[in-house]
Amino acid sequence: QQQVKQSPQSLIVQKGGISIINCAYENTAFDYFPWYQQFPGKGPALLIAIRPDVSEKKEGRFTISFNKSAKQFSLHIMDSQPGDSATYFCAASSSGTYKYIFGTGTRLKVLA
Amino acid sequence: GAVVSQHPSRVICKSGTSVKIECRSLDFQATTMFWYRQFPKQSLMLMATSNEGSKATYEQGVEKDKFLINHASLTLSTLTVTSAHPEDSSFYICSARAGTGGLDGYTFGSGTRLTVV
Repeated sequence: QQQVKQSPQSLIVQKGGISIINCAYENTAFDYFPWYQQFPGKGPALLIAIRPDVSEKKEGRFTISFNKSAKQFSLHIMDSQPGDSATYFCAASSSGTYKYIFGTGTRLKVLA
Repeated sequence: GAVVSQHPSRVICKSGTSVKIECRSLDFQATTMFWYRQFPKQSLMLMATSNEGSKATYEQGVEKDKFLINHASLTLSTLTVTSAHPEDSSFYICSARAGTGGLDGYTFGSGTRLTVV
């Protein structure tokens, strides 16, 4: 119940295309869903996050779509650029524990 | 914004020795810090949660006598890998939560690559 399932494991997108990464969870106590970007040898950096009271949040080229009933959320990267090539992790947390449960990660490669 | 400094970024040690990794919050007070371990091309696995002035809470399966965590001040937490062995080689990452921050208040360090030879 604590797992967060993430797909795909890897993704190759042409420059200018849309990158879509999906995550699913089971624990209905989760109430915070961040996405992190990680470059090799570096710690994760927060990209964007959403709470269950909204179905979509957009910040620049990054959009989170959230489906509470399906217990799924996804990250959309519009106009993908080679500089977006990194590993992306979704995560989930609840106010009760403040601990993050991370997804398995998606390695994104954007071709120039 | 909030900055978390992690040191060293890389360390190589001999099997059987101990290694200390520091995690510092530079511009905020961190009441809670988290330590993660990440194997190559894998996700971050939470090892323990440390609260300033109290004992760390370890996740199931994490040996507390092997991974000693000290959170002696509001800006510093340390992870000591004792009697390190090659299987302890990994990428260790800390994150810190500001005292007044809610779930939004997490900042991650840049990680420490530990290699045990």
